[in-house]
Amino acid sequence: NAGVTQTPKFQVLKTGQSMTLQCAQDMNHEYMSWYRQDPGMGLRLIHYSVGAGITDQGEVPNGYNVSRSTTEDFPLRLLSAAPSQTSVYFCASSIGGFLDGYTFGSGTRLTVV
Amino acid sequence: GNSVTQMEGPVTLSEEAFLTINCTYTATGYPSLFWYVQYPGEGLQLLLKATKADDKGSNKGFEATYRKETTSFHLEKGSVQVSDSAVYFCALSNDYKLSFGAGTTVTVRA
Repeated sequence: NAGVTQTPKFQVLKTGQSMTLQCAQDMNHEYMSWYRQDPGMGLRLIHYSVGAGITDQGEVPNGYNVSRSTTEDFPLRLLSAAPSQTSVYFCASSIGGFLDGYTFGSGTRLTVV
Repeated sequence: GNSVTQMEGPVTLSEEAFLTINCTYTATGYPSLFWYVQYPGEGLQLLLKATKADDKGSNKGFEATYRKETTSFHLEKGSVQVSDSAVYFCALSNDYKLSFGAGTTVTVRA
């Protein structure tokens, strides 16, 4: 049982480049979300999904896109990377949302130069 | 909207000392409350949770009680170990999203 798998673990991008952070879960969880972690700010929600085909914006969605074509996968796309997007990104999934809490992946550390 | 305020760190303790990390919240409705722990270089792990008022969550010697009257969910452990060194996050949810506090870094020295 792999849980939530994120790839890559580390990435360096140049300003203006695009890339996709991958997230997959094998627990058949309906709810998935993406957070970014910055020093002193905790984790902030970027986008979330309550099921395949359904996504919505979180607290800090600008510059990011998501889609949810399957229950298992929830990729996060950076459209045109900026230095302000340097952060650690976490994907999380849950079977029951607020009643159960979320299972987190191990994170992707992204640096934009 | 929802918000979580937790005690600022860093906190440095000696082994076997008592640990308290304060957490207060603002939320609509009746949220669930969580404590997550992040060990160096790792993702977040759910430490404990409480889903209604007066519930006590507990795990690995840590405890927290959901106090609706004071809108608090303070984390406590009676005797910490070096292996408890980590960043601790208080969080709440009343739907499909989590709102986090800023995190408290705890270092336990032998």
